[in-house]
Order: sequence, then C-alpha cells, then structure tokens
Amino acid sequence: NAGVTQTPKFQVLKTGQSMTLQCAQDMNHEYMSWYRQDPGMGLRLIHYSVGAGITDQGEVPNGYNVSRSTTEDFPLRLLSAAPSQTSVYFCASSYLGQYEQYFGPGTRLTVT
Amino acid sequence: SQKIEQNSEALNIQEGKTATLTCNYTNYSPAYLQWYRQDPGRGPVFLLLIRENEKEKRKERLKVTFDTTLKQSLFHITASQPADSATYLCALPPLRGGNKLVFGAGTILRVKS
Repeated sequence: NAGVTQTPKFQVLKTGQSMTLQCAQDMNHEYMSWYRQDPGMGLRLIHYSVGAGITDQGEVPNGYNVSRSTTEDFPLRLLSAAPSQTSVYFCASSYLGQYEQYFGPGTRLTVT
Repeated sequence: SQKIEQNSEALNIQEGKTATLTCNYTNYSPAYLQWYRQDPGRGPVFLLLIRENEKEKRKERLKVTFDTTLKQSLFHITASQPADSATYLCALPPLRGGNKLVFGAGTILRVKS
C-alpha cells in the first residue's frame, strides 16, 4: 500500500494564480481531510469529507475548494492564490469511527 | 471553542532519561485524545489514542496519561534515544465529535547523546 500520497511536494505560485493540490489514498478510507500547518500555529483543518460526494468546511476554508468524486481522491483547489496561503498542506485519511489518521508527506506552497 | 496548549519551548534531555510532554485543554471534555509524532519535512504519524475512561495507556517505551479533572494529558518516553527527537503533537476531537481533529502547536523534543 502506498498509503496517502500528495503531489506536488513543492510549488511556487504568483498572487492570483490557481492550482490544485492532489491527494490520493489506497486504504479505502471514507474520511479525508486537508490541513495547513504554519509555524507556531499547529495544524488547522481546511475542508473534510466523510465519503464520495460529501464535503464540508473546517476551521479555515476561505480561499479553498474541494470535491470528492471517488473514495480515493480528494483534491484541494486554490482559485486565486494569496500570500497568506503560503504554508505546508497535509492531506489525511481514516476510517469513519476509527480516529487514527494517516497523513501524506505534505506540499510546501509559496505564494509570492 | 476548545483550546489546546502544548509547551512552545523545546524540551532538551539527555539520552536514557524520561521525557515528559504536556498537553492542556480547555472549554470542554473530549471523549479521547491522540498523540502524533512529526519529523522535519514529513507528515504527522499516529502514536497513541487514550479514551476518557482510561487513566493510562502504554506502547513499548511510550506512556500516555489522561486526567479529565485537570484537563491534561502527559506523554512520557522512557529511556529516550536521539532517534526520539521530533515534534510531538496532541490532538482532540472537536465539540461535535466525529473524525475531525483539533491539534496543538506541538512540542519539539531534542534528545542528546
């Protein structure tokens, strides 16, 4: 099993550009989520999904969109990047009702 | 909303000693609490989960306690090794439960040989 994979590992964007961060898992987990991690602030939940076709907002959803068309994939879209979105982004997954979460390796995004 | 506090200062200890990390929370009573390890440039890795009705949980050299009266969890690593050096995060479910987690900012542990 590859576990949770994320692409790309690094990305530099200019303000106003759009991009999609990819996340995939091969463990058949129902629950998937996106976090951002900033120095001194810990991980903050952006969006999450409890199954294909179902998404909801987390703590810091503004500026981000998600969709979940399959169990395996949960892409995160930045429609118009802003310098405040410079961060490290982690995708995580778990079975519903089992609370241990599996994290991907992260994407380091810089917006100039 | 719930608040989670972990020591922002790094903990430096000598190899072989026991490392003790603290996680304090306010404003609610979670059904469980989790601890994760994060190495530089990598995603967090799950270590232990302790439920509200469990006072203590052990896994090899790791021990976690959960005091719901003090609203505090302690994370111990006995016989620490340089390879234990990492950031340790505590995480709790939000008020409405489910699979979501709220994370503390983490404590850096440095074990010196």
